[in-house]
Amino acid sequence: AQSVSQHNHHVILSEAASLELGCNYSYGGTVNLFWYVQYPGQHLQLLLKYFSGDPLVKGIKGFEAEFIKSKFSFNLRKPSVQWSDTAEYFCAVHSGYALNFGKGTSLLVTP
Amino acid sequence: DTGVSQDPRHKITKRGQNVTFRCDPISEHNRLYWYRQTLGQGPEFLTYFQNEAQLEKSRLLSDRFSAERPKGSFSTLEIQRTEQGDSAMYLCASTKMGGSSTEAFFGQGTRLTVV
Repeated sequence: AQSVSQHNHHVILSEAASLELGCNYSYGGTVNLFWYVQYPGQHLQLLLKYFSGDPLVKGIKGFEAEFIKSKFSFNLRKPSVQWSDTAEYFCAVHSGYALNFGKGTSLLVTP
Repeated sequence: DTGVSQDPRHKITKRGQNVTFRCDPISEHNRLYWYRQTLGQGPEFLTYFQNEAQLEKSRLLSDRFSAERPKGSFSTLEIQRTEQGDSAMYLCASTKMGGSSTEAFFGQGTRLTVV
């Protein structure tokens, strides 16, 4: 069965620090990969997605992710975080009919 | 608001009671998904519909859970004889047909508390 692992459950950063959230998946075939974000009190929103082409994908709000097939990874990055990036971040893999999510990473950005 | 709408936003029920949640997807989306999310976990897939057909339901948590989408528009998720372990956030999402590479849009969820 497919699984998605997010290594960091809680991350605390100061504003302007760089961010990298790890995501690994287990699936041998073609994958479609996603990062979703959930701001406090809001619904899940798509940050970015990868399904083919350039393995470095850019999303909204300055986020990017790199698909490394050999490592089964799709890590999320942002060079300089802001207080407004405080949220829960979820990595997901599309299984053929539905998204399989990781457990999420809670990010707190302090002023 | 043209997003995915879920009703109610919060539900408190006594153990043993039945509850029903409603989801209204984005109007042109023909795929509708139900997920459950518990504290500290990511959303867990339960079932999905393409139009009115329920194409996958093996991941529903027990036979107390059922879902319908009678006219291919809104959907309902029912939990019969609720248990405390059913307390969770129930999420609905919708997407267009053939949407493995397209975005799933999520509603704000229904938070169920079983007391």
